[in-house]
Amino acid sequence: DVKVTQSSRYLVKRTGEKVFLECVQDMDHENMFWYRQDPGLGLRLIYFSYDVKMKEKGDIPEGYSVSREKKERFSLILESASTNQTSMYLCASSFPDQGYEQYFGPGTRLTVT
Amino acid sequence: TQLLEQSPQFLSIQEGENLTVYCNSSSVFSSLQWYRQEPGEGPVLLVTVVTGGEVKKLKRLTFQFGDARKDSSLHITAAQPGDTGLYLCAGAAGNTPLVFGKGTRLSVIA
Repeated sequence: DVKVTQSSRYLVKRTGEKVFLECVQDMDHENMFWYRQDPGLGLRLIYFSYDVKMKEKGDIPEGYSVSREKKERFSLILESASTNQTSMYLCASSFPDQGYEQYFGPGTRLTVT
Repeated sequence: TQLLEQSPQFLSIQEGENLTVYCNSSSVFSSLQWYRQEPGEGPVLLVTVVTGGEVKKLKRLTFQFGDARKDSSLHITAAQPGDTGLYLCAGAAGNTPLVFGKGTRLSVIA
């Protein structure tokens, strides 16, 4: 079975802190994605990556950056956390064809106070 | 911009009832996927439909892809409390990331 793991299930940070969210997949998937999920707004794509050291902006990249140094690991970085970044963050991975099914991690519920 | 509209947004039904959830777009998709997400977890893929007019069954769940590949439906027969969750549709088109609908939140009351 595909397994996507995220470093934390729950995280509480203060405004202005730098926050790292890590995601690891074990199925050798080329594609990896970061979403945030908010009530009424659905899943919104933040960044995605087709390969190591490659990254593409999604729909809402402002305030975020990413790092993909190894194929299996995709990190989301909040350079200076703000309260409007309080959300559920979901990582996903898939095979190269964008139509291929995405496999999601369990999510990290981040609260910024 | 491609959009997927899901309806209804919320649905609360009694155990044993039937229901249908819709996923509509003005855009054509090469395939459409349905996911279910339980509280506190990530979405899990239920099915992928690829061919216009295709019907797939997964136990009490029936998925249909529209002939024009612009819409899809999910029908649940004799709903059970274990069906409770957020149902998401997602469309694939070309070499772009999946487009997700906002979801239908289903609550099945025993």
